[in-house]
Amino acid sequence: EPEVTQTPSHQVTQMGQEVILRCVPISNHLYFYWYRQILGQKVEFLVSFYNNEISEKSEIFDDQFSVERPDGSNFTLKIRSTKLEDSAMYFCANGWGETQYFGPGTRLLVL
Amino acid sequence: GENVEQHPSTLSVQEGDSAVIKCTYSDSASNYFPWYKQELGKGPQLIIDIRSNVGEKKDQRIAVTLNKTAKHFSLHITETQPEDSAVYFCAASPNFGNEKLTFGTGTRLTIIP
Repeated sequence: EPEVTQTPSHQVTQMGQEVILRCVPISNHLYFYWYRQILGQKVEFLVSFYNNEISEKSEIFDDQFSVERPDGSNFTLKIRSTKLEDSAMYFCANGWGETQYFGPGTRLLVL
Repeated sequence: GENVEQHPSTLSVQEGDSAVIKCTYSDSASNYFPWYKQELGKGPQLIIDIRSNVGEKKDQRIAVTLNKTAKHFSLHITETQPEDSAVYFCAASPNFGNEKLTFGTGTRLTIIP
């Protein structure tokens, strides 16, 4: 199975700080997604991205969140001013068509 | 929007027995139904998927069935092994490409040796 990689694997930050989560996608897979999973809960959609534009975003994805492909390869999720409730696993997913492959996730802990 | 419900939330089976996990969905526009396996501390791993033009799909010990009329689909694992222990998630999407997945709440499967 193709692999999506994510960095860092763990991130601890203080409330109000900015964090950037990074994803290295699968070559030639042009659809990008971010999901999050609060501990013990289901995976929730945040945002989808295609052709350098956001395709869809959930109500969770408010103005504190942004996504980009800064170098045309990596895909990033930025949280400008973290809140306690942002603590979760964040998964990048990448695919072509309907199939989505997930990365191993970044565990974000906001203190 | 789509709502996916999944049952049971936990399931324990003896090694070698079969396990069945069931999901229902609400949006008749959904046409793509993947199943993911998540091991502790890892990301969801796609194990099998089915599209609405197919009623059943099998891959070795894993099979998925879909009843589009009733809006439910199921994962069947036969001859279970200890390495099948994980959390399993069903999901649904409209299958138009670049569409979000709506996940079920997950089933923690434990295989008892």
